[in-house]
Amino acid sequence: EPEVTQTPSHQVTQMGQEVILRCVPISNHLYFYWYRQILGQKVEFLVSFYNNEISEKSEIFDDQFSVERPDGSNFTLKIRSTKLEDSAMYFCASSEGGLTYNEQFFGPGTRLTVL
Amino acid sequence: AQTVTQSQPEMSVQEAETVTLSCTYDTSESDYYLFWYKQPPSRQMILVIRQEAYKQQNATENRFSVNFQKAAKSFSLKISDSQLGDAAMYFCAYRSGSGAQKLVFGQGTRLTINP
Repeated sequence: EPEVTQTPSHQVTQMGQEVILRCVPISNHLYFYWYRQILGQKVEFLVSFYNNEISEKSEIFDDQFSVERPDGSNFTLKIRSTKLEDSAMYFCASSEGGLTYNEQFFGPGTRLTVL
Repeated sequence: AQTVTQSQPEMSVQEAETVTLSCTYDTSESDYYLFWYKQPPSRQMILVIRQEAYKQQNATENRFSVNFQKAAKSFSLKISDSQLGDAAMYFCAYRSGSGAQKLVFGQGTRLTINP
């Protein structure tokens, strides 16, 4: 069964460093998403991406964050200058379409630890 | 803005028994979808069940069913004949029918199955 994959599973970085989190969505999906979950808190929406541009973003997704689909398979989240409060689990998701009933399939997550 | 609240941080149930997880939400919209996601220790979120707000009939998926009370803005999940594999975090989520793509999650309920 097709699934969303994410690498790495755990990333440790120093405050101020740039990190890139990688995701491979399900191959025929057209919509891509990033969510994050700070330990003990809710899963929060960051951004959605369609047709090579951001279609929706939350107030969390500020200028420190960017997303890209560099090739036909990968979808990346870049954090330019990490802060301690960026430590969280980051989940990638994809869906076949953008309509409400289209199920979002989630990856296993990348745990980001900022020291 | 829409909010989702899960008031039970933890629940436990004996194997083979029935358990109900609570979820309430707040919205001014009339068209929306509600979801229950399961997040096992492997951390990959899996869709358990979804409910369209325009449907009066409660959704069911095998041992999983919901009690959708639109007027009360309540959306509880009932798990019948609980199995050890049901142990996980369960998240209630809301998605607007207006075209917004983000899922709004509750805080989660950790379900423990006692053998």
